[in-house]
Amino acid sequence: SQTIHQWPATLVQPVGSPLSLECTVEGTSNPNLYWYRQAAGRGLQLLFYSVGIGQISSEVPQNLSASRPQDRQFILSSKKLLLSDSGFYLCAWRGGTSTDTQYFGPGTRLTVL
Amino acid sequence: QQPVQSPQAVILREGEDAVINCSSSKALYSVHWYRQKHGEAPVFLMILLKGGEQKGHDKISASFNEKKQQSSLYLTASQLSYSGTYFCGTETYDTDKLIFGTGTRLQVFP
Repeated sequence: SQTIHQWPATLVQPVGSPLSLECTVEGTSNPNLYWYRQAAGRGLQLLFYSVGIGQISSEVPQNLSASRPQDRQFILSSKKLLLSDSGFYLCAWRGGTSTDTQYFGPGTRLTVL
Repeated sequence: QQPVQSPQAVILREGEDAVINCSSSKALYSVHWYRQKHGEAPVFLMILLKGGEQKGHDKISASFNEKKQQSSLYLTASQLSYSGTYFCGTETYDTDKLIFGTGTRLQVFP
């Protein structure tokens, strides 16, 4: 069966510090991968998605970036965090066929102080 | 384009029913429903792909209208465990990403 991992589970970072969040998927190959952010009490905002290694689509212009160095690894990064980057970051994966649904990882709760 | 969910919030007593709607201005390829408990990741409930489709398990079901621009989630005889925020995720024909609605917060009390 497929499993999705995210780490760390929680993170507290000062403003201006760098960020690296990692997501890995097991039990499937060539998944579509997604990064979402959820501000406190708000909805799910799509940040990036990838349909293959090295292929990244950005949805929202901001100080974040994403990379997919391996088939089942998706990384979210920032060089300098802003207060507004605080939130719940969710990685998700989806199979390659059009009828597949999307499954979320456990999430990383980021607080920028 | 973000789908519109209604209502924004629902308060129920155990055993009562609720309907949550999800509307799009464009024809949709699919609609995916999720429930999110506080502090946790969203959990998949069901996917609808065909116009006119109805699907369900246990006491939670959903429909997708013929024009494929609206979906509704039906919760019957609600239980305390149904509490959470419900999101619809919609996919259009020209993309392979889900865009989520604003969410509906459902609270069930004894």
